[in-house]
Amino acid sequence: DVKVTQSSRYLVKRTGEKVFLECVQDMDHENMFWYRQDPGLGLRLIYFSYDVKMKEKGDIPEGYSVSREKKERFSLILESASTNQTSMYLCASSSLPVASWTNEKLFFGSGTQLSVL
Amino acid sequence: AQKITQTQPGMFVQEKEAVTLDCTYDTSDQSYGLFWYKQPSSGEMIFLIYQGSYDEQNATEGRYSLNFQKARKSANLVISASQLGDSAMYFCAMREEELIFGAGTRLAVHP
Repeated sequence: DVKVTQSSRYLVKRTGEKVFLECVQDMDHENMFWYRQDPGLGLRLIYFSYDVKMKEKGDIPEGYSVSREKKERFSLILESASTNQTSMYLCASSSLPVASWTNEKLFFGSGTQLSVL
Repeated sequence: AQKITQTQPGMFVQEKEAVTLDCTYDTSDQSYGLFWYKQPSSGEMIFLIYQGSYDEQNATEGRYSLNFQKARKSANLVISASQLGDSAMYFCAMREEELIFGAGTRLAVHP
């Protein structure tokens, strides 16, 4: 089974802190994604990556950056955390090449509930 | 504008009965994919079923089936013979270029 592991289930940080959310997948997947999930809004894509050192902005990249130094690891960085970034963060990975885009199935981690005080 | 609309914030169903979770979508593309994911309280999103826009048959996966009505742009999820373990959030999603999720429906299965 594909395993997508997020390093923390719950995280509490202070406003202005730099926050790192880590995600590791063990299936040699090319593609990795970061979403945030808020009640009533579903999941919104923050950033994604198709390859090592590659990154693409999603729908809501403001206030976030990402790092993909190794294929299996995709980190989400909050440079200066703010209270409006309190949310559930979900990491996902997938293996299909871009040409098979429409039926790409994502495998998700269990999420990190981040609270910024 | 909302691309994926799930109009039911919450649903109740009796164990062993069937339930339909609604999903409508908005796209001008001819080629797209429709997905349903389940999110139990553990937080992990679990893939349930996929329907391609060119697929003529409705997708089925065990107790899950997708009622695909292309002209109405709807992709409702039908769960037959509900089980207590089906209690979860259910998200409809569509892929054009990116995967876009609806707001979700919380399903509660009662014994």
